[in-house]
Amino acid sequence: AAGVIQSPRHLIKEKRETATLKCYPIPRHDTVYWYQQGPGQDPQFLISFYEKMQSDKGSIPDRFSAQQFSDYHSELNMSSLELGDSALYFCASSGRLAGGIMYEQFFGPGTRLTVL
Amino acid sequence: AQSVTQLDSQVPVFEEAPVELRCNYSSSVSVYLFWYVQYPNQGLQLLLKYLSGSTLVKGINGFEAEFNKSQTSFHLRKPSVHISDTAEYFCAVSDGATNKLIFGTGTLLAVQP
Repeated sequence: AAGVIQSPRHLIKEKRETATLKCYPIPRHDTVYWYQQGPGQDPQFLISFYEKMQSDKGSIPDRFSAQQFSDYHSELNMSSLELGDSALYFCASSGRLAGGIMYEQFFGPGTRLTVL
Repeated sequence: AQSVTQLDSQVPVFEEAPVELRCNYSSSVSVYLFWYVQYPNQGLQLLLKYLSGSTLVKGINGFEAEFNKSQTSFHLRKPSVHISDTAEYFCAVSDGATNKLIFGTGTLLAVQP
């Protein structure tokens, strides 16, 4: 079965640089979520999109922005990177089957961002 | 606001012994509860979920959990663990409205031979 795809899997950036993380949800899933997991921490919700519109916002810094495109893939753009942005960034997707809501989120393998 | 508490940061257990990982939640609305497992350097995999219905939920890899509304708990259990169960386990809650997940701080299950 198709899973959530994230690219790149690893990314190394310098301070003050920018980074773009991409997420391709499971086919026919219309909702995408972004989470940030710092070292030894639990995942923290950043932002979500439903049908290309922002549906909820969590603890996402103003330096970060995200969007969902017409093909439902999503991109997380991070500018003015700081050392504290080093983390695992997960994307998850969920969808609707036969008119019902699928509450289960399927997670991608994550992008490990290292800021030097 | 919702929150999840996993009191045990680490649970050491011998192989083939039973284990229980504790999870308590707080919420002012109906919730949906989940347990995810994270193996080293990997993503999050859903073990099981409670949405409604039977309070005893069975998941993958022989795990099960019981939803207890009066005690606001959703403890995860396995009758006999294997070395391969060594991983970080996260309990999570969502309200079903925005569907975002609020995670607990995780419990490291360390299975010893």
